[in-house]
Amino acid sequence: RKEVEQDPGPFNVPEGATVAFNCTYSNSASQSFFWYRQDCRKEPKLLMSVYSSGNEDGRFTAQLNRASQYISLLIRDSKLSDSATYLCVVNAHSSASKIIFGSGTRLSIRP
Amino acid sequence: GAGVSQSPSNKVTEKGKDVELRCDPISGHTALYWYRQSLGQGLEFLIYFQGNSAPDKSGLPSDRFSAERTGGSVSTLTIQRTQQEDSAVYLCASSLGGAGTGELFFGEGSRLTVL
Repeated sequence: RKEVEQDPGPFNVPEGATVAFNCTYSNSASQSFFWYRQDCRKEPKLLMSVYSSGNEDGRFTAQLNRASQYISLLIRDSKLSDSATYLCVVNAHSSASKIIFGSGTRLSIRP
Repeated sequence: GAGVSQSPSNKVTEKGKDVELRCDPISGHTALYWYRQSLGQGLEFLIYFQGNSAPDKSGLPSDRFSAERTGGSVSTLTIQRTQQEDSAVYLCASSLGGAGTGELFFGEGSRLTVL
């Protein structure tokens, strides 16, 4: 089993729709969680950190469920510019080798 | 620009040749990471430098891979006797603090193709 698993997608949704995807992790000792965004043939960029209490940044909401060991990302009122691959990142022990990147979920927003 | 800079952006080489990839992190960032990303795959950790500490080399896939960081700034990843399976995008990232303490800032990557 992979340490961090994501549905690869693609998720193909119309503009304005709400879309959500999850990421599961296997290491219960994981301490910090992030969502990164990667555009096609570009480098990953931090979208948002995921806090235990959940957090919201504009149209984006991230949540953490420690009991079930998953994090989620919700995008409301999706825009064409949201089309990208979303990478789930889990850090187990504040150690570089334990910063695990998921393979990503590809999202495509259609007009 | 003030971002992470990598060179070359593209490198095509023949099997068996050595290659060097360079990373210039953001000024003042103490932590530097190398990752490898194959097509459609997630990022694979290779090596991590933090200040003057011994690097974490636990992700290097074989002894053909090595990296150094001179003066706590620029880093070079060297792949000796390249193989076709080494073809990937090599991404460098830096962060202000140590691993897990904050955002990783990535360079645009070096795309390596081994023929």
